[in-house]
Amino acid sequence: AQKITQTQPGMFVQEKEAVTLDCTYDTSDPSYGLFWYKQPSSGEMIFLIYQGSYDQQNATEGRYSLNFQKARKSANLVISASQLGDSAMYFCAMREGLTGTASKLTFGTGTRLQVTL
Amino acid sequence: EAGVTQFPSHSVIEKGQTVTLRCDPISGHDNLYWYRRVMGKEIKFLLHFVKESKQDESGMPNNRFLAERTGGTYSTLKVQPAELEDSGVYFCASSLSTGITNEKLFFGSGTQLSVL
Repeated sequence: AQKITQTQPGMFVQEKEAVTLDCTYDTSDPSYGLFWYKQPSSGEMIFLIYQGSYDQQNATEGRYSLNFQKARKSANLVISASQLGDSAMYFCAMREGLTGTASKLTFGTGTRLQVTL
Repeated sequence: EAGVTQFPSHSVIEKGQTVTLRCDPISGHDNLYWYRRVMGKEIKFLLHFVKESKQDESGMPNNRFLAERTGGTYSTLKVQPAELEDSGVYFCASSLSTGITNEKLFFGSGTQLSVL
């Protein structure tokens, strides 16, 4: 079963508007972490934001925030005040386990975001 | 500080040939990971090194793939013989050896492999 689901293959947003990229996940482990990465056309994967399963508050990093709804198993990325440079692929990922065995990330299929003028 | 570097950035080979991909992690990072993305699909885990040891190689597709990390520094991923379905982008990532859930991975730009 797919552990990370990103249902939006592509999204458009106008410059300066906010956009939400969806991510749902599936795990039976009570301890896990959720990550968002951005992949611009240059190819490099850039870490954006992290949310731990025990974190009480939604993570925020500048214009990025994570709408974490644990009961619904969703971890949507919200980008506020979109900029042209935000055009890229965005990947949601999960790591299961808290310590010791924590290792690989499981990724979704990604969402391609295009910011327009 | 240099990031994760991968070489080559692109490789086009014929079916049956051998290709070797190289990854130089960030200096001091004990953890090194290989991932692969086939067109339009999710990024899939291949294997994980801690220093020179293979911690988890559960994602390696078959025995045509051989990964090494001699001396615990750079790593190579060899595909021999290459098949059409091996085409995709191969990513390398590294991280510090903290072993905790919020440990983030630093990725390279990937190697685009095309098998014709």
